[in-house]
Amino acid sequence: GAGVSQSPSNKVTEKGKDVELRCDPISGHTALYWYRQSLGQGLEFLIYFQGNSAPDKSGLPSDRFSAERTGGSVSTLTIQRTQQEDSAVYLCASSLWGAGETQYFGPGTRLLVL
Amino acid sequence: SQQGEEDPQALSIQEGENATMNCSYKTSINNLQWYRQNSGRGLVHLILIRSNEREKHSGRLRVTLDTSKKSSSLLITASRAADTASYFCATDARETSGSRLTFGEGTQLTVNP
Repeated sequence: GAGVSQSPSNKVTEKGKDVELRCDPISGHTALYWYRQSLGQGLEFLIYFQGNSAPDKSGLPSDRFSAERTGGSVSTLTIQRTQQEDSAVYLCASSLWGAGETQYFGPGTRLLVL
Repeated sequence: SQQGEEDPQALSIQEGENATMNCSYKTSINNLQWYRQNSGRGLVHLILIRSNEREKHSGRLRVTLDTSKKSSSLLITASRAADTASYFCATDARETSGSRLTFGEGTQLTVNP
């Protein structure tokens, strides 16, 4: 498709398990972002990838969170040893060049940690 | 508190009325963007206004930016029930330029038919 896609749409996991969330950005977009949104809250920045530059990981809340972007396209956000407070909607966005532009969002992955 | 704070937190109006939402921010910016979110899922970009612009229009949307007051407003004219959503402002701060947008916590708009 032409937009940003994310999978899975919903994920229910048990506390302590690892989860992987996937994002397929719009083809040709060099910048990719991960955000987290807790219920009724705004978006919390997690990580930013831009081309071949080192990612900006300054928003990752703990070392249990990591992300990769392979081949400058698909990105995977991994949460190890999940905790209940990790429950949120994880949103991915891409833009053509960088943050100063319009960001195009995927539908998000709703994560529930029991 | 977070860069990009909207007020009011919630707004309920009747169809046909105008809706105004405000956003305040703390640091110097390159631009400010407004997004809309339905049902807690993906956000949709509405409009971008650059720091050297004061007003911008797009259909029924009008955005203003006052960099001296570090504030912006989003006006939706002749609202429709379909405008019911959460609206977020997001800033591209100069200090983090090129790395992120900082989002506010949003205004929940309800337009009653």
